[in-house]
Amino acid sequence: DIQMTQSPSSLSASVGDRVTISCRASQGISTYLAWFQQKPGKATKSLIYAASNLQTGVPSTFSGSGSGTDFTLTISSLQPEDFATYYCQQYYSYPLTFGGGTKVEIK
Amino acid sequence: QVQLVQSGAEVKKPGASLKVSCKASESTFTSYYMHWVRQAPGQGLEWMGIINPTGGSTNYAQKFQDRVTMTRDSSTTTLYMELSSLRSEDTAVYYCAASSGYYSPYFDYWGQGTLVTVSS
Repeated sequence: DIQMTQSPSSLSASVGDRVTISCRASQGISTYLAWFQQKPGKATKSLIYAASNLQTGVPSTFSGSGSGTDFTLTISSLQPEDFATYYCQQYYSYPLTFGGGTKVEIK
Repeated sequence: QVQLVQSGAEVKKPGASLKVSCKASESTFTSYYMHWVRQAPGQGLEWMGIINPTGGSTNYAQKFQDRVTMTRDSSTTTLYMELSSLRSEDTAVYYCAASSGYYSPYFDYWGQGTLVTVSS
């Protein structure tokens, strides 16, 4: 199985900050990587697929990059509604696997 | 608007079986593959398997191969995930999630989750 490692596991930031979350795969996965957002009491929201493609309706403050084994999710200007937990997921091969999550908290 | 509406929270005893439902709109049912993913309290996400709603074919994670069954009911556009021989470690939130492809299974939509508690 492909192991996905996210860092950091949590971070504190202020509204307006630029935030970067990393995700590393245990083997090359090309760009078969997705990011999604979880908030307590809300449905999980898919943000990005194919490493850098925004899902419909996702603000342009979100961006993704990377290929092979190293990937990044960037929030260019953190908004109050962005405080959440973020996960990466590889879909290069089955079984699908996920990163451990990064909790973005208010500073 | 794609909606995946899951059944409500459940409490089960060890050794029992669980059946969670996920109702999709008709267009979703015929256009998307459906996955089941779970998340134990304070833990990460774990993919359990995929079902093709139109043909019913499945692919299960090896960990759950012996205990999980994913089915669908075309007449009600509802997907089901059944897990048998429950143990305390199966306490988790169970999600259905939809992908438009089998070979590019990134999730476009998620259900709201179903909390399952396994306790004697």
